[in-house]
Amino acid sequence: GAVVSQHPSWVICKSGTSVKIECRSLDFQATTMFWYRQFPKQSLMLMATSNEGSKATYEQGVEKDKFLINHASLTLSTLTVTSAHPEDSSFYICSAIPLASGNEQFFGPGTRLTVL
Amino acid sequence: AQSVSQHNHHVILSEAASLELGCNYSYGGTVNLFWYVQYPGQHLQLLLKYFSGDPLVKGIKGFEAEFIKSKFSFNLRKPSVQWSDTAEYFCAVNARNGNKLVFGAGTILRVKS
Repeated sequence: GAVVSQHPSWVICKSGTSVKIECRSLDFQATTMFWYRQFPKQSLMLMATSNEGSKATYEQGVEKDKFLINHASLTLSTLTVTSAHPEDSSFYICSAIPLASGNEQFFGPGTRLTVL
Repeated sequence: AQSVSQHNHHVILSEAASLELGCNYSYGGTVNLFWYVQYPGQHLQLLLKYFSGDPLVKGIKGFEAEFIKSKFSFNLRKPSVQWSDTAEYFCAVNARNGNKLVFGAGTILRVKS
């Protein structure tokens, strides 16, 4: 149980386009999901906390207008990278906390974004 | 602000060697502590966690970790590693009453067969 999926697993886009990444909790409901970014050979950096039915909470230094987060249901959060540029190329990972699990986060497999 | 420090970025061991990966955190309050593993091409998986109680916690695949409050440490150990333990290991912490995880930089473990 507690499986999180992400779609797509990888995407290549042109500079200036927008890319949407989906994060789904497959077998549980989650009011809270998280979006992380992982640069090569570096750790995961929390970008934002996605709350179902309300606005996301962004970490310091993360542009909310660039990284749009929508948590439309208890099983789906989306991250849209708007007007992507090569410096946005990274590995984006989401996680979710089941309603009954307290603090334990379950992670998705990640999405590799490459902006040309 | 919370921070997590992992002492070694790369570790290379032979099979059957013992493993200890260091993790220290900085936070003024009560914390929950985690070790995650990321096998090549796979997503992060929880190895073990400490919330309260016995400071020596046992996780999956023979891993254990000891929380030493006075040292702000949560080192990961395994008495005898296997080739299949080759992966990247992340220590993480969150505040006891929160859920935002702060990760260490990760340690890449390579086990030679």
